[in-house]
Amino acid sequence: GAGVSQSPSNKVTEKGKDVELRCDPISGHTALYWYRQSLGQGLEFLIYFQGNSAPDKSGLPSDRFSAERTGGSVSTLTIQRTQQEDSAVYLCASSLVLQSNQPQHFGDGTRLSIL
Amino acid sequence: AQSVTQLDSHVSVSEGTPVLLRCNYSSSYSPSLFWYVQHPNKGLQLLLKYTSAATLVKGINGFEAEFKKSETSFHLTKPSAHMSDAAEYFCVVSDLGRNNAGNMLTFGGGTRLMVKP
Repeated sequence: GAGVSQSPSNKVTEKGKDVELRCDPISGHTALYWYRQSLGQGLEFLIYFQGNSAPDKSGLPSDRFSAERTGGSVSTLTIQRTQQEDSAVYLCASSLVLQSNQPQHFGDGTRLSIL
Repeated sequence: AQSVTQLDSHVSVSEGTPVLLRCNYSSSYSPSLFWYVQHPNKGLQLLLKYTSAATLVKGINGFEAEFKKSETSFHLTKPSAHMSDAAEYFCVVSDLGRNNAGNMLTFGGGTRLMVKP
């Protein structure tokens, strides 16, 4: 596609349920990133992928969070046993290659609300 | 370690007047710097980037920013504000990640720009 696509755009779920967020990066982009944007914390980096590999998972908030990327393309961010503090907008971005001078292109995000 | 400080959480200007959004950064390495804009319920759109070439960087929609290493600043300016410029703006530094690899972005807290008619 022309840009980074995220689905769903909005997700409302009950506390304790699992959720799966999807990101489809720009075609040909090898690097993919997940961020979380919340009122109290601003924008925080969660995890990045180079190809299918995520070398550093330390940005994930807890062990309830996991992410995978298959085929060097689509990525999913999974949150297990959701808590109310997980409510936020989850943003995905991609870049052509994994270099600090490469701009990241963002999707419109998934707005997650935990009741 | 890297950090970004956006000095104003809110800026209000009248349409047709200049815009100045201030940003200071710190970085252990030679950073790349970006400004992104976010309109309501949208993702972040790249306005411009600095990557160690010209210190005055021109971006989209008439915005520009000047990299000043001595002041560790990367302020965003526009000569004449338009109503459509009302949005939230993020100054971002990109540096090597924790493992000396990757492309870790650190975001400023954002500046909400309001444009009065």
